[in-house]
Amino acid sequence: DSGVTQTPKHLITATGQRVTLRCSPRSGDLSVYWYQQSLDQGLQFLIQYYNGEERAKGNILERFSAQQFPDLHSELNLSSLELGDSALYFCASSTLAGGKSSYNEQFFGPGTRLTVL
Amino acid sequence: AQSVTQLGSHVSVSEGALVLLRCNYSSSVPPYLFWYVQYPNQGLQLLLKYTSAATLVKGINGFEAEFKKSETSFHLTKPSAHMSDAAEYFCAVSRGSQGNLIFGKGTKLSVKP
Repeated sequence: DSGVTQTPKHLITATGQRVTLRCSPRSGDLSVYWYQQSLDQGLQFLIQYYNGEERAKGNILERFSAQQFPDLHSELNLSSLELGDSALYFCASSTLAGGKSSYNEQFFGPGTRLTVL
Repeated sequence: AQSVTQLGSHVSVSEGALVLLRCNYSSSVPPYLFWYVQYPNQGLQLLLKYTSAATLVKGINGFEAEFKKSETSFHLTKPSAHMSDAAEYFCAVSRGSQGNLIFGKGTKLSVKP
């Protein structure tokens, strides 16, 4: 158990809908990262938050957004869903912001499997 | 830009045989390298990490990896495979000052009895 929790575990929805995925980081971790794992694209970094502020963006679509709340949990919002958004979405947490040091051990949650029909 | 390439999307070994999973990296700065394992229907678990200390890194479950700058490689090895090692393995590099991970495509390891 990494200490990172994600809900829900599975989500099935229809095209055009909007969903919210939730992540609670390990106790004391200030950084939250979101990754998408799909058969086509593999594991891709989406976005990072550190202590409530957006720190880095990866291959995140404009239809997707995220935020980190004062209690440090994070939510990933996916809207206008398309079939191609079906994937496993992972959240990871770390103690570091990334700053001057790249050493950044990230602990991954179990993921949310999103199926868009 | 940083990237990692994992050679071989599938590797099959017999139980008790040597496991060798290959990873080559591309980085313009000294890299921080990681190996993660993903068991079926589970998240990713860190096996080991290289952070510019010792070039031979020992991880969990008997795995180790050697950082070779001249070959830009960070191959993962285990002397004797066990059935429980069957999983998908991902090599990753930490991206500069931002810290997010860039993953390889993964190598699925099968272990035959």
